[in-house]
Amino acid sequence: SAVISQKPSRDICQRGTSLTIQCQVDSQVTMMFWYRQQPGQSLTLIATANQGSEATYESGFVIDKFPISRPNLTFSTLTVSNMSPEDSSIYLCSVDVGGGASETQYFGPGTRLLVL
Amino acid sequence: AQSVTQLGSHVSVSEGALVLLRCNYSSSVPPYLFWYVQYPNQGLQLLLKYTSAATLVKGINGFEAEFKKSETSFHLTKPSAHMSDAAEYFCAVRGGGSNYKLTFGKGTLLTVNP
Repeated sequence: SAVISQKPSRDICQRGTSLTIQCQVDSQVTMMFWYRQQPGQSLTLIATANQGSEATYESGFVIDKFPISRPNLTFSTLTVSNMSPEDSSIYLCSVDVGGGASETQYFGPGTRLLVL
Repeated sequence: AQSVTQLGSHVSVSEGALVLLRCNYSSSVPPYLFWYVQYPNQGLQLLLKYTSAATLVKGINGFEAEFKKSETSFHLTKPSAHMSDAAEYFCAVRGGGSNYKLTFGKGTLLTVNP
């Protein structure tokens, strides 16, 4: 398994501002993921972040809105830019641990964002 | 392509009763299947996973799930519900091989009544 921490755990922000969310893992991992969970909804994958390469974004998500950094094998950041109330969500990072059939995604505790 | 359907957005049971949360999947390749639980104001915790070994998978907190290929189902059960089981439960599918992406169902909120 993996122990994942996120900062901040929650924040209230004004529209038009940006927030950077940090994700730290207790072991080196190749693949890290960022998800959004809108109120009362399931999880939607925003992007996949591999160390040393550009993040791969899912349909409907763009780098200008959600820039991601992955400077090393234990850390990643997600920035939510030019926020609007529609960005109010829980943002979760996750990591893949193991390989082949034993590969499993483990999740951080999430960052709860409210945009006013 | 892969997808997950969770039948019932809200399930309510009495304490001590059987818990049954339904999940049906669609996958073009033999899937890996997962159940996650999300307690209020927390992240997702892995309950159990199916990776083509035994079809009956036992997880944490007394939960288990059975993979039924003929029914494309992976329902989650627990013989006796406890108040602490109240949470949101998500079923997820990942295709085999190099397909690392998880696709989640919409979730089922489990309420346990005293």
